[in-house]
Amino acid sequence: NAGVMQNPRHLVRRRGQEARLRCSPMKGHSHVYWYRQLPEEGLKFMVYLQKENIIDESGMPKERFSAEFPKEGPSILRIQQVVRGDSAAYFCASSPPLRGTDTQYFGPGTRLTVL
Amino acid sequence: GEDVEQSLFLSVREGDSSVINCTYTDSSSTYLYWYKQEPGAGLQLLTYIFSNMDMKQDQRLTVLLNKKDKHLSLRIADTQTGDSAIYFCAEPHSGNTPLVFGKGTRLSVIA
Repeated sequence: NAGVMQNPRHLVRRRGQEARLRCSPMKGHSHVYWYRQLPEEGLKFMVYLQKENIIDESGMPKERFSAEFPKEGPSILRIQQVVRGDSAAYFCASSPPLRGTDTQYFGPGTRLTVL
Repeated sequence: GEDVEQSLFLSVREGDSSVINCTYTDSSSTYLYWYKQEPGAGLQLLTYIFSNMDMKQDQRLTVLLNKKDKHLSLRIADTQTGDSAIYFCAEPHSGNTPLVFGKGTRLSVIA
């Protein structure tokens, strides 16, 4: 059973470009979470999705950031017009359908560098 | 607030025990988690404890939970150089599933 997959592992963008980060959850998992980790910091929650639904996006900046988890295919975190402050590690986690508070399993992350 | 607090650094000698402490804020949390992050890597789930337990032991790891003081600790027995990493304490946000993380404790193991 493959774990949570993220790609690319490293992404370099110039200011103003778009960044697309992909996450494939573990098999059987229908819940996806995106977190951002700034250097020397803990992880900060951004958005929580189920298939075709955004459940909680309270941690996601209102502008330039969007996320989706379509019926088919991976979840995508999209950052438009990137700025240097977007440089961080972005982690995706997945969990199975809720039975209470379910454990989240993390992917290896995408390290975004904005030049 | 929703702060999860941890000390930032811990240094121990190989073979000694390590104790990493954490305080959390949400008394309704049903589970509390410990994750390990090695340099340049993602987060690996180490262990978790259900809130109706005081202690959980898993091989070299012992988790202690003091609900009254909202204090969680992770003890690593016979610490090895491979245990060097950042350890994060996490609790669910307001009883729901998005996790709130501490800033992490960087454990350095001296050979």
